[in-house]
Amino acid sequence: SQQGEEDPQALSIQEGENATMNCSYKTSINNLQWYRQNSGRGLVHLILIRSNEREKHSGRLRVTLDTSKKSSSLLITASRAADTASYFCAPSYSGAGSYQLTFGKGTKLSVIP
Amino acid sequence: DGGITQSPKYLFRKEGQNVTLSCEQNLNHDAMYWYRQDPGQGLRLIYYSQIVNDFQKGDIAEGYSVSREKKESFPLTVTSAQKNPTAFYLCASSTQTSYHEQYFGPGTRLTVT
Repeated sequence: SQQGEEDPQALSIQEGENATMNCSYKTSINNLQWYRQNSGRGLVHLILIRSNEREKHSGRLRVTLDTSKKSSSLLITASRAADTASYFCAPSYSGAGSYQLTFGKGTKLSVIP
Repeated sequence: DGGITQSPKYLFRKEGQNVTLSCEQNLNHDAMYWYRQDPGQGLRLIYYSQIVNDFQKGDIAEGYSVSREKKESFPLTVTSAQKNPTAFYLCASSTQTSYHEQYFGPGTRLTVT
């Protein structure tokens, strides 16, 4: 399987704290994206980072990519109760089947008001 | 109001019956996808279509069938051959070039008893 693997599986923090989630993958990638899923809903695309980028920001989100370690992290700063959701990484690969995204089991984030 | 819709939100069927899940998009996207999500799990790709009148099997196509007669529509039929059909089904769409940025519908929760 070429899916990313998120860590930790679950994370519980107080509102206002930062939340960090990690993603590891196995083979070389073209890019990697992070998605959010609120309970019982569809996924929402958050951010894409390309293989030649090391860091990317979008509002309170900061994504890093370390291709030498085959890992990425998603940092949510100053968390809010509305950030409570599951977060998935989805690496994109080149070659056959490269148009497919594979999702791991996600990190379930709970932000306590 | 652009987006991707799935209906119904909840669906109940008796074992042995085929059931068709609807997915419609007005984003003018060429590519469409069907995923299955089981509790606490990531998404698994069932079928995808990159263009009208063409579709490909994903990782878990057995027991499912699709059609793509119109650009806007990509219905999924869960047949009686699917051994464990109870799950949350998500439809998504994307442009052909930006397949990594997929737009998801709200999902259909299918329960088969």
